[in-house]
Amino acid sequence: AQTVTQSQPEMSVQEAETVTLSCTYDTSESNYYLFWYKQPPSRQMILVIRQEAYKQQNATENRFSVNFQKAAKSFSLKISDSQLGDTAMYFCAFRNAGNMLTFGGGTRLMVKP
Amino acid sequence: DAMVIQNPRYQVTQFGKPVTLSCSQTLNHNVMYWYQQKSSQAPKLLFHYYDKDFNNEADTPDNFQSRRPNTSFCFLDIRSPGLGDAAMYLCATSRAGGMNTEAFFGQGTRLTVV
Repeated sequence: AQTVTQSQPEMSVQEAETVTLSCTYDTSESNYYLFWYKQPPSRQMILVIRQEAYKQQNATENRFSVNFQKAAKSFSLKISDSQLGDTAMYFCAFRNAGNMLTFGGGTRLMVKP
Repeated sequence: DAMVIQNPRYQVTQFGKPVTLSCSQTLNHNVMYWYQQKSSQAPKLLFHYYDKDFNNEADTPDNFQSRRPNTSFCFLDIRSPGLGDAAMYLCATSRAGGMNTEAFFGQGTRLTVV
């Protein structure tokens, strides 16, 4: 079974600054995908970024990038130039070949003006 | 346009009274998931379907059942809701055939048990 751990229950950042959210996972599988999802208050969960375990290059989507360290089983999310609309719960998630999508406990991010 | 639709958005049910939550999708995805999310916690997978193949998580209580009559619809039945079942229930879908495919979520149904 997979486990996903997010060690930061809450974080805050000033608008326009950079913040990094941590995620670690545990699995015995060799091929999998990792995702970061965003859940704004009272709104549905949406995908932020994804990373394939076989790719060494870190994924980037505009202001969002990841630092994927496979050996350490670490998958952190960096948000650059934080905006007020980035305020949300962020969930790290793991997907295996069996279609199971497992989430971490989440990090509540508050962007302050 | 909404692609994963959950009805109702809010559901109040009495302790022990069966309740059904529904989910529909316009994406024609093979895989549909039901998650339970309690306040400020991770969504917990209850079960998922790969087409008609039902996959139950080992720790999902027997009180929770699911039906998928066709590709578009999936139902979550709670046979005898207890106070501990009050939560947000999330439905999600994804294409099979690649782990990279993202899951699309509905807005959730918030269940209150009184």
